[in-house]
Amino acid sequence: TQLLEQSPQFLSIQEGENLTVYCNSSSVFSSLQWYRQEPGEGPVLLVTVVTGGEVKKLKRLTFQFGDARKDSSLHITAAQPGDTGLYLCAGHGASGTYKYIFGTGTRLKVLA
Amino acid sequence: EAQVTQNPRYLITVTGKKLTVTCSQNMNHEYMSWYRQDPGLGLRQIYYSMNVEVTDKGDVPEGYKVSRKEKRNFPLILESPSPNQTSLYFCASSLIPGGGLGNTEAFFGQGTRLTVV
Repeated sequence: TQLLEQSPQFLSIQEGENLTVYCNSSSVFSSLQWYRQEPGEGPVLLVTVVTGGEVKKLKRLTFQFGDARKDSSLHITAAQPGDTGLYLCAGHGASGTYKYIFGTGTRLKVLA
Repeated sequence: EAQVTQNPRYLITVTGKKLTVTCSQNMNHEYMSWYRQDPGLGLRQIYYSMNVEVTDKGDVPEGYKVSRKEKRNFPLILESPSPNQTSLYFCASSLIPGGGLGNTEAFFGQGTRLTVV
């Protein structure tokens, strides 16, 4: 079974601080998506990374896909209260399965 | 507007009473799937469908059935619900995975909160 482990599981920081969330697997993924989920709602896509070593920026969010396509990271610069939410990585494996696997999630709280 | 619509949003039922949660998408997506989300366990895939009449098990299929008779609809059926199926359920759709395009962004419904007593 392909797994995506995220760390940390919980993160509470002050406004203006930087943070990094990690998404790791022992398996190769053809691509990875990052989502943010608000309470009571479905996840909403932030970004897709496809190429090993790829870096994508979305305003204050920087996403990186590992060279071997087994891991990814999300870095937030100068976090704001509006960044509060559950961050999830997800992807279809590259081994031929069409299951869509979600990471264990990182719950972020940014305090004003 | 592109969307995935689930119904109902909230449902309380009793053990053993069959129920169906509907899911419909208007984006002509081939891939549709169902997930349950439980505290501490994250989102786990129940079933997925690659196209009409093509369905397959996800990681937690026990106690659930699905059907894909039309491309836009993918209902989730609980033949005999039990309390351990109390959860928040999400339906999602996307383009078909594979091909190296990476465009497998999943669009999610608003969720169905199911309580089985």
